[in-house]
Amino acid sequence: ETGVTQTPRHLVMGMTNKKSLKCEQHLGHNAMYWYKQSAKKPLELMFVYNFKEQTENNSVPSRFSPECPNSSHLFLHLHTLQPEDSALYLCASSQEPSGRWSKNIQYFGAGTRLSVL
Amino acid sequence: DQQVKQNSPSLSVQEGRISILNCDYTNSMFDYFLWYKKYPAEGPTFLISISSIKDKNEDGRFTVFLNKSAKHLSLHIVPSQPGDSAVYFCAATVETSGSRLTFGEGTQLTVNP
Repeated sequence: ETGVTQTPRHLVMGMTNKKSLKCEQHLGHNAMYWYKQSAKKPLELMFVYNFKEQTENNSVPSRFSPECPNSSHLFLHLHTLQPEDSALYLCASSQEPSGRWSKNIQYFGAGTRLSVL
Repeated sequence: DQQVKQNSPSLSVQEGRISILNCDYTNSMFDYFLWYKKYPAEGPTFLISISSIKDKNEDGRFTVFLNKSAKHLSLHIVPSQPGDSAVYFCAATVETSGSRLTFGEGTQLTVNP
């Protein structure tokens, strides 16, 4: 198993659909993250979970709903999305939820390529 | 306001030569900087980092240089290999901030055999 696994790898959905993205990490980490990467834009942090608790929401619209049932799993529930939400959604994990970056490198999954029609 | 910028969307070099990827930042609070590499259909992978107390960090063929007065950092790859062809992201953070990384847009490096 690779360190951080995301499913599905590709997703096409209509604006009225409800779908979920899944992330699983096998690294024993305590912090998990959702990022969005739109075309030709930098990665944008969406949510942070530390020990299953959400500690950061970067002004993300409510049509994106994260869920973290345990430290190894992270979901992003999607509903009534807009075409501009089409992007690559990346999950990451790190050992510690806070503390010095030199000991807290983030490890990324391969992402889910989402297209909203 | 984009606080981390990589002004070159692409760079092409010959195998064996040096690749230099550049990154500029505007937030003087940033004190820790990272480079990630991303192959197609894979997630970004950590490559090398540097703290603001240093001006250089080296790891094999990869060296990162930091010029705090110019708010500029660069990644040198010597010698470049075709397997280095990837998108390289620069990221910056405040080292004690915990979670928040600010990324640049990325530079596509192509190393030609």
